[in-house]
Amino acid sequence: DAGVIQSPRHEVTEMGQEVTLRCKPISGHNSLFWYRQTMMRGLELLIYFNNNVPIDDSGMPEDRFSAKMPNASFSTLKIQPSEPRDSAVYFCASSLRVTSGGLEQYFGPGTRLTVT
Amino acid sequence: AQKVTQAQTEISVVEKEDVTLDCVYETRDTTYYLFWYKQPPSGELVFLIRRNSFDEQNEISGRYSWNFQKSTSSFNFTITASQVVDSAVYFCALSTNSGYALNFGKGTSLLVTP
Repeated sequence: DAGVIQSPRHEVTEMGQEVTLRCKPISGHNSLFWYRQTMMRGLELLIYFNNNVPIDDSGMPEDRFSAKMPNASFSTLKIQPSEPRDSAVYFCASSLRVTSGGLEQYFGPGTRLTVT
Repeated sequence: AQKVTQAQTEISVVEKEDVTLDCVYETRDTTYYLFWYKQPPSGELVFLIRRNSFDEQNEISGRYSWNFQKSTSSFNFTITASQVVDSAVYFCALSTNSGYALNFGKGTSLLVTP
């Protein structure tokens, strides 16, 4: 079975440009998460979707960040305009969600974003 | 609020040594879930194990074992007879029924040398 797919794997862009990261979750999973990993802050949750609906976006740093999940097999994370401090590795993860119990999340390979 | 502490930032061992990675957690929820993930140098995050708060049985999987102790709020991970391929950053994480996001510790970087 295919795992979580992310694209691009690497992105280098100039400050002020728009960046779009893409994610395809594991088929059948109904929860999707976007995380960001930096040396200073470690792994932190940006936003969480369940059945394509955003449930918790309290981790989104500011209005420059937005995420969508138009269907069960695709999500995007957009940064507009990008800034050097947005440089990080962005991970997408998916899991099954049941009414009770925290299930393991399966992570994509990540997108390494560099904003110059 | 939930918090995971991995006090060991870096550990270096020689191949075949046993090594234990510590994880201490904090939560007010009575139902919670603990996880370990491995991040090898290639960068992906690999799921290793999940434990529920109501199941304190220790787990063994090959050279890996996990010791869950609610009394000390710890969920430690031991690698027996370490190998070079075990070199990675290992993350402990916590989630609860009040929020399904994973709260990660800062990670422990393990280096196994030949």
